[in-house]
Amino acid sequence: ETGVTQTPRHLVMGMTNKKSLKCEQHLGHNAMYWYKQSAKKPLELMFVYNFKEQTENNSVPSRFSPECPNSSHLFLHLHTLQPEDSALYLCASSQDSPGTGNTIYFGEGSWLTVV
Amino acid sequence: KNEVEQSPQNLTAQEGEFITINCSYSVGISALHWLQQHPGGGIVSLFMLSSGKKKHGRLIATINIQEKHSSLHITASHPRDSAVYICAVVFSGSARQLTFGSGTQLTVLP
Repeated sequence: ETGVTQTPRHLVMGMTNKKSLKCEQHLGHNAMYWYKQSAKKPLELMFVYNFKEQTENNSVPSRFSPECPNSSHLFLHLHTLQPEDSALYLCASSQDSPGTGNTIYFGEGSWLTVV
Repeated sequence: KNEVEQSPQNLTAQEGEFITINCSYSVGISALHWLQQHPGGGIVSLFMLSSGKKKHGRLIATINIQEKHSSLHITASHPRDSAVYICAVVFSGSARQLTFGSGTQLTVLP
């Protein structure tokens, strides 16, 4: 248990569906992240939120839409995805950035399959 | 180009063996993280280093800033150590976010 909870753990969706991934952290952190991990590839940063404000969007297609209503919750809204979007989506949080000597805490991930 | 390389990609060991996983990076960094990912997907932070050496139980992490290289050692390996070990760095002058290596799949056989 890392203190970062993701739901659902597994999701299968059609290319015309709309779904959302949810992330919650009870660690009091101000920074939250979405990462994508495709098979055989390193983790890729998608979005960063700091104090509810988006500070990074790593050229992510608009079919992925993040939402951060407060410092404890982060959503990733999904619509009209492609099969190549099938991957493990990981949420993480930290107190400030991991480059300032802070440990980063990851959730268990949401396995997404687009059919 | 800012890159992180890990070796080996795959490693199989017998229970009790001493294991070393290596990480090298291309330019200066402000921090290096070692992470462990289990088959279910969840990732746990093992160490955060900016210099020297850290030890936690049977795990030891070292970093050589001049050589741009870090190692993760596991002493007296056990089947429960089987996981993917990932090196991630924050490059100096970057947006202070992590750049990840491809990971090392470790399998420890009983």
